[in-house]
Amino acid sequence: GAVVSQHPSWVICKSGTSVKIECRSLDFQATTMFWYRQFPKQSLMLMATSNEGSKATYEQGVEKDKFLINHASLTLSTLTVTSAHPEDSSFYICSAPNPGQQTGELFFGEGSRLTVL
Amino acid sequence: SQQGEEDPQALSIQEGENATMNCSYKTSINNLQWYRQNSGRGLVHLILIRSNEREKHSGRLRVTLDTSKKSSSLLITASRAADTASYFCATARGSTLGRLYFGRGTQLTVWP
Repeated sequence: GAVVSQHPSWVICKSGTSVKIECRSLDFQATTMFWYRQFPKQSLMLMATSNEGSKATYEQGVEKDKFLINHASLTLSTLTVTSAHPEDSSFYICSAPNPGQQTGELFFGEGSRLTVL
Repeated sequence: SQQGEEDPQALSIQEGENATMNCSYKTSINNLQWYRQNSGRGLVHLILIRSNEREKHSGRLRVTLDTSKKSSSLLITASRAADTASYFCATARGSTLGRLYFGRGTQLTVWP
């Protein structure tokens, strides 16, 4: 079945550095992908919609200059956390709509745990 | 704010028992979805119920939807230790397919 791959699964970085997370749809094309953020024992917060060939659509309160999203191809979206700080430490998860359905079901990546020291 | 809210926040049961989780939402929907998340992992889609459906089954899962009360329930029958996970309901907002909002989730623990 369709799979969404996310890399890296975990990353530790120093404060002030930038971190890039990749999200790939492995056997299907995704013109749209979604990036979520999850704090421990909490729900997923939708950060932005990644659109292939155009700018990402950010949710209210999400800093677009902080969280750069690029949908470079029909199978790849990247999230770059720029000038990361400890408060950016979180679990980031990407997803893509199931191409076989038109109901909004999502396939999720395995998530990327970011720890900023 | 997030669209859906689940209760209870945590549920602890023995293997073989049934687990019921509830979800409430705020606005009109086309469908409601349930997802499962193992600790530290991504989410897996479990089941989708459309707004014109009242009940749906999938294996040991039974989902109900009451649009008049804006609520849904997920029942897992004959639970197993492997069912231990967090369960989230999700609803869509806007016209972009797949743009989902998730509830807080129910952490289910099934003891062997």
